Amino acid sequence: EVQLVESGGGLVQPGGSLRLSCAASGFNFSKFWMHWVRQAPGKSLVWVSRIYSDGSTSATAGSAKGRFTISRDNTKNVLYLEMNSLRAEDTAVYYCATGGCGGDCLESWGQGTLVTVAS
Amino acid sequence: SDELTQPPSVSVSPGQTASITCSRDKLGDKFASWYQQKPGQSPVLVIYQDNKRPSGIPERFSGSNSGNTATLTISGTQAMDEADYYCQAWDSSAYVFGTGTKVTVL
Repeated sequence: EVQLVESGGGLVQPGGSLRLSCAASGFNFSKFWMHWVRQAPGKSLVWVSRIYSDGSTSATAGSAKGRFTISRDNTKNVLYLEMNSLRAEDTAVYYCATGGCGGDCLESWGQGTLVTVAS
Repeated sequence: SDELTQPPSVSVSPGQTASITCSRDKLGDKFASWYQQKPGQSPVLVIYQDNKRPSGIPERFSGSNSGNTATLTISGTQAMDEADYYCQAWDSSAYVFGTGTKVTVL
């Protein structure tokens, strides 16, 4: 069974930094693209970033580009999201998800971790 | 990427059919996926590549995609189907989600 467990969320001041982790188990982590998606309270889902299975290539949404960095450690089965220069509008639940469907969809999702940016 | 537009809400009686649309210019040229999200829970993939169901998703969930509109259809809607539904498409290396539709089973 696919299990994705996010951690690292919390309260951070504007301009601060945070690193999220997603521990994966129950599947061959090193074979899958991985994603981060966020959801502000009461709002829709917003894709944040994606990384290829071997970590060689990543893509990041415009709103996060230059501030957020996705990475992975295939030896530890962990996905990361380094977030810098955080803003109030980055407040959201952050989900990690596996890529699937030949790259078109996000197949399995974690339970999410809440990031609150406030002073 | 352009936004995917969904109706904010859809109401349906138990046992009836609910249809949720997702619109954007030339959406039919892309694959559409659909996710179900119940309150306080993570999204669950219910339809991918326009009309395919992942293992474990009931047959009452079906999808189509043509022209500018993708549609998720729930046939014989049950109370357990009450949730928010989001469409999603991949475009120019970015993944775009729809605005979301709240399905209420009256």
